[in-house]
Amino acid sequence: EIVLTQSPGTLSLSPGERATLSCRASPSVTGNFLAWYQQKPGQAPRLLIYDSSRRIAGIPDRFSGSGSGTDFTLTISRLEPEDFAVYYCQQYVRSPRTFGQGTKLEI
Amino acid sequence: QVQLQESGPGLVKPSGTLSLTCAVSGDSISNTHWWSWVRQAPGKGLEWIGEIYQSGATNYNPSLTSRVTMSVDVSKNQFSLTLNSVTAADTAVYYCAREAAGYQLAIDSWGQGTLVTVSS
Repeated sequence: EIVLTQSPGTLSLSPGERATLSCRASPSVTGNFLAWYQQKPGQAPRLLIYDSSRRIAGIPDRFSGSGSGTDFTLTISRLEPEDFAVYYCQQYVRSPRTFGQGTKLEI
Repeated sequence: QVQLQESGPGLVKPSGTLSLTCAVSGDSISNTHWWSWVRQAPGKGLEWIGEIYQSGATNYNPSLTSRVTMSVDVSKNQFSLTLNSVTAADTAVYYCAREAAGYQLAIDSWGQGTLVTVSS
């Protein structure tokens, strides 16, 4: 099983600031088959990024993903009020398709 | 646009069986996607339960494999989850989802989720 560890657990920032979220994998995620999801209270998660860096249609370009192997990053360049939520990474290279424990981005 | 809708009892007794169905609209379950179940205990993170293909092929989370069964009904365009011998630890919001072939099997569509409580 691939274990994904996200950091920090909670990130406190203000609108307009830059957010950097980390996801570390053990063992590595081959093929960069890693996705990022955003979840707001009472809602289902929403896919933002797949294959480590490919942004889904309709996702603002302030969201970007990077990384390979064991270290992946989600960056939000300029936070908007609607970006404050919980973010999860997930690997889908191998079953079970594990999630990280989440990073809560709070104002 | 694909839509997924979970249905099933919201309350299950301890040691009983949890059964949920996911109705798919806007896409054929026979397309080249996998269909999955993910759960989220109150205040906790996401846990992948397993996935099923149109052929009936399945992959389950090893932590649940002894208690989980998934099935697919192509004629009704729906798939189902059964979880046996439930305990309070199985109380969660259960989501059905599509692992999209176009996104290398990342989950691009989710149901709204249904809360299942295990309690006597």
